[in-house]
Amino acid sequence: EAGVTQFPSHSVIEKGQTVTLRCDPISGHDNLYWYRRVMGKEIKFLLHFVKESKQDESGMPNNRFLAERTGGTYSTLKVQPAELEDSGVYFCASSQRQDFLTDTQYFGPGTRLTVL
Amino acid sequence: KQEVTQIPAALSVPEGENLVLNCSFTDSAIYNLQWFRQDPGKGLTSLLLIQSSQREQTSGRLNASLDKSSGRSTLYIAASQPGDSATYLCAGGPMYSGGGADGLTFGKGTHLIIQP
Repeated sequence: EAGVTQFPSHSVIEKGQTVTLRCDPISGHDNLYWYRRVMGKEIKFLLHFVKESKQDESGMPNNRFLAERTGGTYSTLKVQPAELEDSGVYFCASSQRQDFLTDTQYFGPGTRLTVL
Repeated sequence: KQEVTQIPAALSVPEGENLVLNCSFTDSAIYNLQWFRQDPGKGLTSLLLIQSSQREQTSGRLNASLDKSSGRSTLYIAASQPGDSATYLCAGGPMYSGGGADGLTFGKGTHLIIQP
């Protein structure tokens, strides 16, 4: 069974440009999460989808970040316009059960975003 | 607001030793606690998940304990091997006190090196 996949693995963009990150969760997993780690800091939660619905987006830093999960399968995270402080590694995770509060989250390899 | 602290930040031990990694959290109203390992340039691999009603979980040479009353968890690695070298991350699960988000709250990790 394929794990969580993320694309691209690395993205380098100029400040002010737009970047879209993609996450494909494990097949059949209804819950999808986005996290990020900026330099020197711990990994922080951004938001949580249950199928195509945003369950919790309390961790989204500002309105330059837009996450979507059309059809409840893969998800995209768009940063527009990108700022220098957005540089970091963006992780996606998924979990299977409806009772997501007690379920294991499986992480993808991450997308390293560098904003110049 | 949940905060997770991991001690030590780095640890280097000879092969074959048993070792303990420590994790503390400020809010014990969590549904679960997860331990992950991260290899350089890779994603997070889930090692163990302890539900809030449990006190420990075991997988092979790994044993994780959870003491909610003291806000502590430990990861015990028996008979360490060079292949155990990685960064180990502790993450507090979603909170049922209503003060947190759906996602995990991570510590900064312990960078472990096992010397051959």
